[in-house]
Amino acid sequence: DAKTTQPPSMDCAEGRAANLPCNHSTISGNEYVYWYRQIHSQGPQYIIHGLKNNETNEMASLIITEDRKSSTLILPHATLRDTAVYYCIVRAAYNNNDMRFGAGTRLTVKP
Amino acid sequence: DSGVTQTPKHLITATGQRVTLRCSPRSGDLSVYWYQQSLDQGLQFLIQYYNGEERAKGNILERFSAQQFPDLHSELNLSSLELGDSALYFCASSVAILTEAFFGQGTRLTVV
Repeated sequence: DAKTTQPPSMDCAEGRAANLPCNHSTISGNEYVYWYRQIHSQGPQYIIHGLKNNETNEMASLIITEDRKSSTLILPHATLRDTAVYYCIVRAAYNNNDMRFGAGTRLTVKP
Repeated sequence: DSGVTQTPKHLITATGQRVTLRCSPRSGDLSVYWYQQSLDQGLQFLIQYYNGEERAKGNILERFSAQQFPDLHSELNLSSLELGDSALYFCASSVAILTEAFFGQGTRLTVV
């Protein structure tokens, strides 16, 4: 069962903020939202995760709506090296908390 | 460098054969995950171990098996290989179940 829905592709201009949406309308109270990205065929890279509060780290910001049914990953100043497939994943805190990837969003940062 | 080591990096073998892929997790990580990624396909979750015990199972074929050893390294065994098993196989590790996972660079398996 798909727990998340993401647009298949997005473009962003270099230097601008990239806002990647994710819908997780069936999320339950004990489920976290994780974001990973995969550059070409490299191993996926962890970006950020959160439960209900907005989170920020050196890579990105995660904005989770108050009802927790959607979230947005923000790359504040996208560079060409941010071109990748971005995956939004929902994981339970307890049982059945394996990490399953969907199709993700292919972000292309253009000069 | 994520700290997760996968060997070998590349493997070419014939149909019907058996191979073993190895994963050394980051120091201190107790959880190991295995994924399969076919050409231009998404990451398919295969199996997860935590401190030597199977924690979750995904779309893993019966021809495939895995284990995590007392020293926490893990092996993925693929047998009776078919052409369709050609893929990138990734291993990831994390300290605990919900902490962020770090991925290795993968083993590219080609079945001819």
